[in-house]
Amino acid sequence: EIVLTQSPATLSLSPGERATLSCRASQSVSSSHLVWYQQKPGQAPRLLIYAAASRTAGIPDRFSGSGSGTDFTLTISRLEPEDFAVYYCQQCGSSPLTFGGGTKVEIK
Amino acid sequence: QVQLQESGPGLVKSSGTLSLTCAVSGDSVSSSYWWTWVRQPPGKGLEWIGEIYHTGSSNYSPSLKSRATISVDKSKNQFSLHLRSVTAADTAVYYCARDSEPHFYGMGVWGQGTTVTVSS
Repeated sequence: EIVLTQSPATLSLSPGERATLSCRASQSVSSSHLVWYQQKPGQAPRLLIYAAASRTAGIPDRFSGSGSGTDFTLTISRLEPEDFAVYYCQQCGSSPLTFGGGTKVEIK
Repeated sequence: QVQLQESGPGLVKSSGTLSLTCAVSGDSVSSSYWWTWVRQPPGKGLEWIGEIYHTGSSNYSPSLKSRATISVDKSKNQFSLHLRSVTAADTAVYYCARDSEPHFYGMGVWGQGTTVTVSS
C-alpha cells in the first residue's frame, strides 16, 4: 500500500499570499496517477488537479500542481477567501487507492 | 449532468450491518467508469473503501476487505455498500463517487455524503 504524507498539517496564511502544499509518497507514483482535491466544511471533496499538474474544468489558474516520483506539490499562487479549505492528495494508480492526511489552509 | 445520491439508515447498531445505496442519474452504472465509496470519520481525513466496475470486478481497502461488499444493480442504476460487524470506528460520513476516465484521473463526481452513526 502506498502511504501519502502531506505537510504541513495546517498552513496559516493571509488572503493574497502564496500557499505551497506538499504530498510525499512512500514509493514512486506515476505523475499520471496523482490527484488533488479541495474540501470545504460540510461539502464533498472536489477534484482540482489530475495527472499531478492538469486542472479540471473550471478550476482557476492560480491553482497549479507539480512533482514526480515521490514528491508532489500543490501551489495556490494568491489565496482568495474561497480557497481556505482542506486539501487532499490521492494516488489512483495502485490498489488500494490511498489519500494523504490532508492540509488545512486557514486564515491567519 | 451526472448526479449521485447516497441513501440508507443514519443509525446502525454495533455489530450490525451498514447498508448504503448510491443512486446514479445522468449516467449509467454500466458505462466505462469505476464507482467508488469513500468515508470520512468526524474531524478526520478521507478513507477509500473500495470500488466496482459494472462487470462486477471490485477492489477494496485491505483494512475493510473482510467486512465490506460493494455491488452494482444495473436494473436500478445504482450501486451499494454493505459493511458487516460495524463498531463505533465505522461512524463517518460516507460518500459515493464516480471515477474519471481514465480511471487514474481521480474521482470527478461525488454525492453529497450521508452520515452514519454506529450506536452501542
